[in-house]
Amino acid sequence: SQTIHQWPATLVQPVGSPLSLECTVEGTSNPNLYWYRQAAGRGLQLLFYSVGIGQISSEVPQNLSASRPQDRQFILSSKKLLLSDSGFYLCAWRASGSQETQYFGPGTRLLVL
Amino acid sequence: AQSVTQLGSHVSVSEGALVLLRCNYSSSVPPYLFWYVQYPNQGLQLLLKYTSAATLVKGINGFEAEFKKSETSFHLTKPSAHMSDAAEYFCAVRGTGFQKLVFGTGTRLLVSP
Repeated sequence: SQTIHQWPATLVQPVGSPLSLECTVEGTSNPNLYWYRQAAGRGLQLLFYSVGIGQISSEVPQNLSASRPQDRQFILSSKKLLLSDSGFYLCAWRASGSQETQYFGPGTRLLVL
Repeated sequence: AQSVTQLGSHVSVSEGALVLLRCNYSSSVPPYLFWYVQYPNQGLQLLLKYTSAATLVKGINGFEAEFKKSETSFHLTKPSAHMSDAAEYFCAVRGTGFQKLVFGTGTRLLVSP
């Protein structure tokens, strides 16, 4: 069966510091991968998605970037965090092909102070 | 473009009462529709999905939803609420390009004894 992992689970970082959040998927090959942000009291905002290694699509201009160095690894990064980067970050995967369902990881809670 | 509207950011019911969470969609392509549930500080879990088969879809935990094309609706129901149903619920529709999902802003379900 497929599983998705995110780490760390919780992170507190000062403004201006770098960020690296990692997401890995097991049990599937060539998945579509997604990064979402969920701000307090708001819905899910799609940040990036990837259909393959090195292929990244950005949905909104922002202070963040994403990379996919391996087939089942998706990384969310920032060089300098802003207060507005605080939120709950969710990674999701979807089997490539006709299946539509996205499956979500447990999330990372980021607090920028 | 695809969009989802969830009426009511908060819904309160008593334990044992009917649960009704509303979702209306707009889609320029045949819609695939989803309901996800999110418990505090966790990722999203798929409850059920509609992918153009039967219009009444049964999901996990006793939930079901009915696709009504004439009303562009996909409301989520459960005959009898349980305390463990308290969570946030998200409706989503397949986005353009089919790789993406467009989420509603969510409805928080509160269940009182």
